[in-house]
Amino acid sequence: QVQLVESGGGVVQPGRSLRLSCAASGFTFSSYALHWVRQAPGKGLEWVVVISNDGSNKHLADSVKGRLTISRDNSKNTVYLQMNSLRPEDTAVYYCAKDYGSGSYYPIFDCWGQGTLVTVSS
Amino acid sequence: DMVMTQSPATLSVSPGERATLSCRASQSVLNNLAWYQQKPGQAPRLLIYGASTRATGIPARFSGSGSGTDFTLTISSLQSEDFAVYYCQQYNTWPLTFGGGTKVEIK
Repeated sequence: QVQLVESGGGVVQPGRSLRLSCAASGFTFSSYALHWVRQAPGKGLEWVVVISNDGSNKHLADSVKGRLTISRDNSKNTVYLQMNSLRPEDTAVYYCAKDYGSGSYYPIFDCWGQGTLVTVSS
Repeated sequence: DMVMTQSPATLSVSPGERATLSCRASQSVLNNLAWYQQKPGQAPRLLIYGASTRATGIPARFSGSGSGTDFTLTISSLQSEDFAVYYCQQYNTWPLTFGGGTKVEIK
């Protein structure tokens, strides 16, 4: 079955960096775009970033431009989120989510990981 | 950015009753609107896309309607497992945006 497993979360000081990973299985990884969606404690969902199936195209939310970078390794079925210059407002559960479309964007999320918590605090 | 507004914030409903949730977009999103359900401690689950198409495995008591700027999610007869938070999401334009959510609670 389709599975996404995030890792790499933890407690980090403001201004520091963290890299999240999302390992995928159960589908043809290289055919699908992957997204990161975050949820601050007790709050709603916020879309963060997407990378196309081949890694050639990306879109980011304005709130993270210049600080968060997405990448993928199709040989490892893994997508990464490099988070730099972290701020307290980046504190959230970060979910990896699979795009619905095969070969091109259909940006709804038909499979989600369990999430990994990032806490930015001194 | 496209602003998605959901109402009400909280909906109190008795089991077996009908629930009607609303989502409004600040500009037309055509029919590029999805609905998700999230239970405490869990990841969201896709319910509806294309404003009215049920995702795989979603029971027929869930239905979506609307186009342009006004959308509705209807749960025809609430079951115990339906008490959760529901989010709408537009995918007509980047950046993708979600509504603030409607919590459906037991009356």
